[in-house]
Amino acid sequence: RKEVEQDPGPFNVPEGATVAFNCTYSNSASQSFFWYRQDCRKEPKLLMSVYSSGNEDGRFTAQLNRASQYISLLIRDSKLSDSATYLCVVNIPSNTGKLIFGQGTTLQVKP
Amino acid sequence: NAGVTQTPKFQVLKTGQSMTLQCAQDMNHEYMSWYRQDPGMGLRLIHYSVGAGITDQGEVPNGYNVSRSTTEDFPLRLLSAAPSQTSVYFCASSRDRASVDGYTFGSGTRLTVV
Repeated sequence: RKEVEQDPGPFNVPEGATVAFNCTYSNSASQSFFWYRQDCRKEPKLLMSVYSSGNEDGRFTAQLNRASQYISLLIRDSKLSDSATYLCVVNIPSNTGKLIFGQGTTLQVKP
Repeated sequence: NAGVTQTPKFQVLKTGQSMTLQCAQDMNHEYMSWYRQDPGMGLRLIHYSVGAGITDQGEVPNGYNVSRSTTEDFPLRLLSAAPSQTSVYFCASSRDRASVDGYTFGSGTRLTVV
């Protein structure tokens, strides 16, 4: 089983739609969680950290369910510019600093 | 504040050649790492470092060497390039050893081995 699993998609949605991505992780001791965005042929960029109480940044809402070991990202009022690959990332507690990346979910927002 | 700088952005090598991919960060980050990204494979960790003088292997270290003589620099050396090393390479850094704030990535090096 992969340490971090995501549905690769693609998710094809019209502008203005609400779309949600889920991600599951296998290590129950994981402590830090992130969503990264990666545009085609560019580097991944931190979109938002995910906190236990859930957090929102404009149209983006991230939630964490520790009991079920999944993380979600909700995008409201999708824009064409939201088209990208969204990477779910988990920090395994250790002294090595390694983050574990999911393979990404591709979102295509269409006019 | 430049962040994480990778050079070169593009490179074509012949099989058997060696080269060094450069990575430098100016944020005084403790942790640095190298990933490769291939279609359908996601990001795979090659080598990482939790501080100057300390390096360790990641998931796919074969064919690559690293060193960390300073906090700022973390070069990746390809010893004898092979077509299987054709990939996009990303360097990443984080403030602390536990990476609790996530990574900052460089813009990548696109390497083709012919």
